[in-house]
Amino acid sequence: NSKVIQTPRYLVKGQGQKAKMRCIPEKGHPVVFWYQQNKNNEFKFLINFQNQEVLQQIDMTEKRFSAECPSNSPCSLEIQSSEAGDSALYLCASSRQGANSDYTFGSGTRLLVI
Amino acid sequence: QQKVQQSPESLIVPEGGMASLNCTSSDRNVDYFWWYRQHSGKSPKMLMSIFSNGEKEEGRFTVHLNKASLHTSLHIRDSQPSDSALYLCAASGTSSFSKLVFGQGTSLSVVP
Repeated sequence: NSKVIQTPRYLVKGQGQKAKMRCIPEKGHPVVFWYQQNKNNEFKFLINFQNQEVLQQIDMTEKRFSAECPSNSPCSLEIQSSEAGDSALYLCASSRQGANSDYTFGSGTRLLVI
Repeated sequence: QQKVQQSPESLIVPEGGMASLNCTSSDRNVDYFWWYRQHSGKSPKMLMSIFSNGEKEEGRFTVHLNKASLHTSLHIRDSQPSDSALYLCAASGTSSFSKLVFGQGTSLSVVP
């Protein structure tokens, strides 16, 4: 069982609907990452946080995606207006601080946009 | 754009055989390499990491790293059907804000 808890496991949304997923990082891990894994197994980095602050995010995240990691609450990733191309596995990972720290991944949220 | 290229895309080996997977980064600023394994329908799990030139062995798994060519390889000896999975190579730089960049993976099938 993963120490990073993601909910829900599956999410089905219509185009234009909001899609929200949550992540509880491993205890003691201040850095949280969101990745999108498509059907070709390609990983796309979306955003990362250290504690509550955004470190880096890609353009896609800045426009339709929003994310936060409030203190004492789960982190979340929300797609404001879902598109068919957003259908993918969304993986949350956490790590200790430091470039040589490995990631612990959650089980993912599989989003299907119909 | 930092890229991590893996080869081959897919690999079939007989049970008990040796599986060899390759990975190269095109970013000269990369310093750390990881290998993750992802079974079908599951999340990636860290298998091994390597940060220095040379070789590292853990049980049936051996990784090599050549920092000059930014090439790493993973070798699995005495392959088992349970080793069948997607193997992902990832690399990062030295900045404390550095994120892992993943390759597209090698799909390994170990057949009895």
